[in-house]
Amino acid sequence: DAKTTQPNSMESNEEEPVHLPCNHSTISGTDYIHWYRQLPSQGPEYVIHGLTSNVNNRMASLAIAEDRKSSTLILHRATLRDAAVYYCILRDVMRGGATNKLIFGTGTLLAVQP
Amino acid sequence: DTEVTQTPKHLVMGMTNKKSLKCEQHMGHRAMYWYKQKAKKPPELMFVYSYEKLSINESVPSRFSPECPNSSLLNLHLHALQPEDSALYLCASSQERLAGVNEQFFGPGTRLTVL
Repeated sequence: DAKTTQPNSMESNEEEPVHLPCNHSTISGTDYIHWYRQLPSQGPEYVIHGLTSNVNNRMASLAIAEDRKSSTLILHRATLRDAAVYYCILRDVMRGGATNKLIFGTGTLLAVQP
Repeated sequence: DTEVTQTPKHLVMGMTNKKSLKCEQHMGHRAMYWYKQKAKKPPELMFVYSYEKLSINESVPSRFSPECPNSSLLNLHLHALQPEDSALYLCASSQERLAGVNEQFFGPGTRLTVL
């Protein structure tokens, strides 16, 4: 599986937008970019995924560079509840099935200040 | 119901004890997973079950024994653990499509302490 690189930590102020970067220079054509996050004392939760086009859902937006070597998770208005570790993960969805492992990197610890 | 439940929430055991962790989901998912997470580290995959059959064992020591008695339940039997096995044990489930995202749903975990 291709590797991703994320900053160890970031800080944001409440109600401001947050841009969480992820580099994946060795991404293959069938790798989807997934984001999961882990709130304190909870299991990880799925946030969003994308392949080539930018994606929006109720939680966040995902902006994917044209060459797909990097992407950015955007939280439009950070709240205290968004303080978590954010993981950017690549998965080849053509391989499919449970044996297509979800491999977590070290992620970005996001702190949100009131 | 999009919830994965895990019991117990906390477990303290001695090195000679035998205990079990339990995980349950009612989303009709046919893939279930055990992860181990040490403090301030990312989750690490231990086992994967697909249609109640073990499909991945990430070279986990035999003192951890998984079991999938039916499509909704996943157990992790623990025996003769070491203090370094103290960690958060996470269960997850997902659909088992041959292609596609197969988003994983995680439980809150069992915090295990081995004395």
